Amino acid sequence: QKEVEQNSGPLSVPEGAIASLNCTYSDRVSQSFFWYRQYSGKSPELIMSIYSNGDKEDGRFTAQLNKASQYVSLLIRDSQPSDSATYLCARDMRFGAGTRLTVKP
Amino acid sequence: EADIYQTPRYLVIGTGKKITLECSQTMGHDKMYWYQQDPGMELHLIHYSYGVNSTEKGDLSSESTVSRIRTEHFPLTLESARPSHTSQYLCASSDYTLDRQGQLNEKLFFGSGTQLSVL
Repeated sequence: QKEVEQNSGPLSVPEGAIASLNCTYSDRVSQSFFWYRQYSGKSPELIMSIYSNGDKEDGRFTAQLNKASQYVSLLIRDSQPSDSATYLCARDMRFGAGTRLTVKP
Repeated sequence: EADIYQTPRYLVIGTGKKITLECSQTMGHDKMYWYQQDPGMELHLIHYSYGVNSTEKGDLSSESTVSRIRTEHFPLTLESARPSHTSQYLCASSDYTLDRQGQLNEKLFFGSGTQLSVL
């Protein structure tokens, strides 16, 4: 079983909408989770990390962690076309398959 | 801007050749990683290192080998390349930073990658 699972996508939202990306994990020991963004043909770059249950906000991005249900999510508010990319959930330096997001103008 | 460099950026070689993909970082990071990624697919961890003289195999079975003689250098070698090795190889190093909430984050810095094509 993979350490992180991203089963949804691709995802398409209109400009200005909220994009919701989800990730589940199998190991209850996991303490820290990360969201990376990867533009086509580029290397991944870190967007956010989250360690504690609840929400963590940074600008238009909000990461949510629910350890009881073993999922972590990323919300992007006021989505922009420049947010169109693949979003990768990661823990312990292992990555999920990614969710490709397209924001339509 | 991360100071992690990979060379070459693109490499096309014939089957059976020995190749070394270079990765260097000037940030003094102890941890370094190699990932393999096919177009539109997920990243697979193939090797990592905690520091000098430390190398570990990752999750994806790989015929490549790595070495870590110096902190800043983490080369990956294929003794005999095959078409199945055709892929993008990404090198990364990591460091710990404090976020706005005062939490320590381990952040990966990626190189630009080497696109390997084996004919």
